[in-house]
Amino acid sequence: SYVLTQPPSVSVAPGKTAKITCGGKNIGSKSVHWYQQKPGQAPVLVMFYDSARPSGIPERFSGSNSGNTATLTISRVEAGDEADYYCQVWDSSSDHVVFGGGTKLTVL
Amino acid sequence: EVQLLESGGGLVQPGGSLRLSCAASGFTFSNYAMTWVRQAPGKGLEWVASLSVRGGDTLVADSVKGRFTVSRDNSNSTVYLQMNSLRAEDTAVYYCGKAAAGWGISEWGQGTLVTVSS
Repeated sequence: SYVLTQPPSVSVAPGKTAKITCGGKNIGSKSVHWYQQKPGQAPVLVMFYDSARPSGIPERFSGSNSGNTATLTISRVEAGDEADYYCQVWDSSSDHVVFGGGTKLTVL
Repeated sequence: EVQLLESGGGLVQPGGSLRLSCAASGFTFSNYAMTWVRQAPGKGLEWVASLSVRGGDTLVADSVKGRFTVSRDNSNSTVYLQMNSLRAEDTAVYYCGKAAAGWGISEWGQGTLVTVSS
């Protein structure tokens, strides 16, 4: 089955740039979606189709996907960005939705 | 405004059954595939099942295959998750979601907690 690998944690100072990676075999050939989940809340879609932002998501959020790594980039990080972030793809070979293990973003 | 309201969670003994419901509003339900995702306490997101627009195509995770079934009633804008032969490891918050293109999930409900314990 297809596996997505994320770093368990990323730390960044306010105002700096955070990069959260999502690794998978040839993930560049798939569409990657990203979710933000704050404690006690449901997830929120923050990026779809690799680099498209849903309405209401700040321009500080951007995405890229190439080769074996997809990346969610958060520029000018704010305290309110502190959350867990999950990547997700559709694996057509198994007809399964696959989530990464999640990355906890800590704003120092 | 899109709203997804899950219900039906609760405490159940191992081997028991539960049926979760997700009532949708604020969009044309019959035009969208729907997805169930769960999250065990302190753990990450795990896909459970997805259902096509008319319900003809159902996709189920290996961890629940043969025990869980997903269905929908487009006339009532509701999607269901029938869970049988429940195990302790099925304990989780269960979310329903409105599927987007590429099987992303554009909208999520607030979740319903299922606890499997004796």
